[in-house]
Amino acid sequence: DAGVIQSPRHEVTEMGQEVTLRCKPISGHNSLFWYRQTMMRGLELLIYFNNNVPIDDSGMPEDRFSAKMPNASFSTLKIQPSEPRDSAVYFCASSLGEGAGANVLTFGAGSRLTVL
Amino acid sequence: AQSVTQLGSHVSVSEGALVLLRCNYSSSVPPYLFWYVQYPNQGLQLLLKYTSAATLVKGINGFEAEFKKSETSFHLTKPSAHMSDAAEYFCAVTPGGGADGLTFGKGTHLIIQP
Repeated sequence: DAGVIQSPRHEVTEMGQEVTLRCKPISGHNSLFWYRQTMMRGLELLIYFNNNVPIDDSGMPEDRFSAKMPNASFSTLKIQPSEPRDSAVYFCASSLGEGAGANVLTFGAGSRLTVL
Repeated sequence: AQSVTQLGSHVSVSEGALVLLRCNYSSSVPPYLFWYVQYPNQGLQLLLKYTSAATLVKGINGFEAEFKKSETSFHLTKPSAHMSDAAEYFCAVTPGGGADGLTFGKGTHLIIQP
């Protein structure tokens, strides 16, 4: 398996622009998580899905952030409009969602976002 | 609610010396606990996990951690540090059972001195 695949790996954009980050989870994993990592706040859980359904989005910072999971193999995190304080590394992770592997998250390599 | 506290944002040890990274947790229910490692410009990789079985958990790369309920701790150790162990280490907690996501500590940067 290729693991969790995220794109783009790096994104530089200007304030006010729309940003879309993409994630392909591991095949067969039922849960998908979006995290944000910054020096100041560390790793924060933004939102997670079980079987493509959003379960908890309480970590999404503002209405400018939205996430979708239209099918089991694809998810997007969108920021519109983007602001400089959104600069961070965004990680996608997936897990089996049940059984012994329910809590074992496999992370992608991350998308480093810089908003100028 | 659950949380973890990692004591020391930076830890420096000599190559061949004992590595000890500290983690204390807070959880209203029996927790599942994890250690992850992050190398520069990479995602997080699972080192080991505690899920209410044996209190001493062995992981990859010679690391192990011991769950101590009385101390609410889950410290990570390795008997002999190697240069390749230099990385960021994260402790994480989740309430036992379901896949609700992990709450991570702020991380500890491990520096290995030659």
